[in-house]
Amino acid sequence: DGGITQSPKYLFRKEGQNVTLSCEQNLNHDAMYWYRQDPGQGLRLIYYSQIVNDFQKGDIAEGYSVSREKKESFPLTVTSAQKNPTAFYLCASSTTARPQHFGDGTRLSIL
Amino acid sequence: QKEVEQNSGPLSVPEGAIASLNCTYSDRGSQSFFWYRQYSGKSPELIMFIYSNGDKEDGRFTAQLNKASQYVSLLIRDSQPSDSATYLCAVNTNPGNTPLVFGKGTRLSVIA
Repeated sequence: DGGITQSPKYLFRKEGQNVTLSCEQNLNHDAMYWYRQDPGQGLRLIYYSQIVNDFQKGDIAEGYSVSREKKESFPLTVTSAQKNPTAFYLCASSTTARPQHFGDGTRLSIL
Repeated sequence: QKEVEQNSGPLSVPEGAIASLNCTYSDRGSQSFFWYRQYSGKSPELIMFIYSNGDKEDGRFTAQLNKASQYVSLLIRDSQPSDSATYLCAVNTNPGNTPLVFGKGTRLSVIA
C-alpha cells in the first residue's frame, strides 16, 4: 500500500535539544513538503523539496533544517534555535499529476 | 503576500441541509484550487480539486470556481454529522509541483 509515513506520532523535546521528525513516502512523488499547524490555525510552510539534493525555505524556516538525500525521505530537524516548537507537524508529497497528500502528522511538545 | 481567506466559523447546519463553505484568494494568477477536510486531531484529507471555472461534482460534494471574482466554494449536500470537521481551502499560485497556500479553515458542525 502506497503512502506517507511520519514518525514518531508524539515527540517531546527538552530545552536545548535538537529533535528530528521522520517522513518517508513510497509513492514515487518528486516533491515533499513540511508544514506546521498551531491550534486553530492554518498550515504554514516550513521547507519544501522538488528534487533530490535540493530544497527551498518556506515562510517559517528559521529554527528548522531539512535534508533530501533520497527521493523517499525528507526528515525535518527542529533545532534548539526554534523557541516555540510546540505544534502539529505535517509532511506532504505530490507530483505534477497528483495533488498534495499528507502523512498522519507528528505532535511535538516541550518537556 | 499571497493570501487565502476563509470564515473561521463555526458554521452550523442541520442534518440533511446543504452546507456552503467559501474561500477567496488574492493572487489572480492562481492555477488550481483544493479543498481538504480535517477532523480534530487528524491530518488533512483531500476531498476535491478544481482547475477550471464552473462547477465540479463528486458525490455529495460540489466545488465551484469563479476566477473573475477570485472565489471558490464547496457545497456539501445532505450534510451528515460525520461531515463535522474543519475544511481547509488551498490554492496553487504557481504552475507545476509547488507548495499550496492554505486558508485557516472553516469549522463545520452538522447538528443531528
